[in-house]
Amino acid sequence: GQNIDQPTEMTATEGAIVQINCTYQTSGFNGLFWYQQHAGEAPTFLSYNVLDGLEEKGRFSSFLSRSKGYSYLLLKELQMKDSASYLCAVITTNAGKSTFGDGTTLTVKP
Amino acid sequence: EAGVVQSPRYKIIEKKQPVAFWCNPISGHNTLYWYRQNLGQGPELLIRYENEEAVDDSQLPKDRFSAERLKGVDSTLKIQPAELGDSAVYLCASSFAGALANYGYTFGSGTRLTVV
Repeated sequence: GQNIDQPTEMTATEGAIVQINCTYQTSGFNGLFWYQQHAGEAPTFLSYNVLDGLEEKGRFSSFLSRSKGYSYLLLKELQMKDSASYLCAVITTNAGKSTFGDGTTLTVKP
Repeated sequence: EAGVVQSPRYKIIEKKQPVAFWCNPISGHNTLYWYRQNLGQGPELLIRYENEEAVDDSQLPKDRFSAERLKGVDSTLKIQPAELGDSAVYLCASSFAGALANYGYTFGSGTRLTVV
C-alpha cells in the first residue's frame, strides 16, 4: 500500500512564505500532485512533479526528491485567499492508481 | 468549456434507501474517477474508468456500490442500500493522459450525501 504524511494544520502571516511538506512511501512511483481545496469546494490542480527538482508557477512552487520520498509546496507572498487545505497525491505505475494524503489546512492571518 | 458536471449537489436520504449520483466529464477526457471524501480527510478513490472499462475498482464496496460508464462518457455511481457511514462528499474527476502534467485531474463540485 501507500502511506502519505502531511502536517494537519499550519498558520502563516499574510505576505510571508510557507512550506508544506509531504512524505510518502510507495512502490512504483509515477508522479506527485498538489491540489488546493477551499472549504466546501472541489480540489483544484496546482502542480505535478515526476522528476526531481523544483517546479515554479508564479507564487507557488513544488519540489520533489524521489530518493527521499519527499515533496514540498512553497507558497510565497501569502494572501488571505490562500487559506485552504493543500492535498498531496501520489500516482503509482499500478494502473495509474492515485492516493491522496489527508491534506494540510493552512490559515493565513493578517 | 464546461467543467466536470455532477448532480445532484446535495442529497439527504434515510438509511437503507438507494441513491444515485451522476457525472458528466470534460469532453475528450477518457479517464473518469469516482472519489469519496470524508470530512477532514483526502479523497479516496472508489473506481477509475478508462473509456468504458473499469480498470481499478479495488476500493469499491461491491456489496452495495455499483458504477457504470455507458459509451465511455457519462457515469453513474449507485449505493443500495445506503448506510449511515456512507455520508460523505462524492467527487467525480476526469483527465486526459496527455495533459496530466499541466492540468492534473479536474474535479466536479461533488455531491454531499447525508444518510439519516
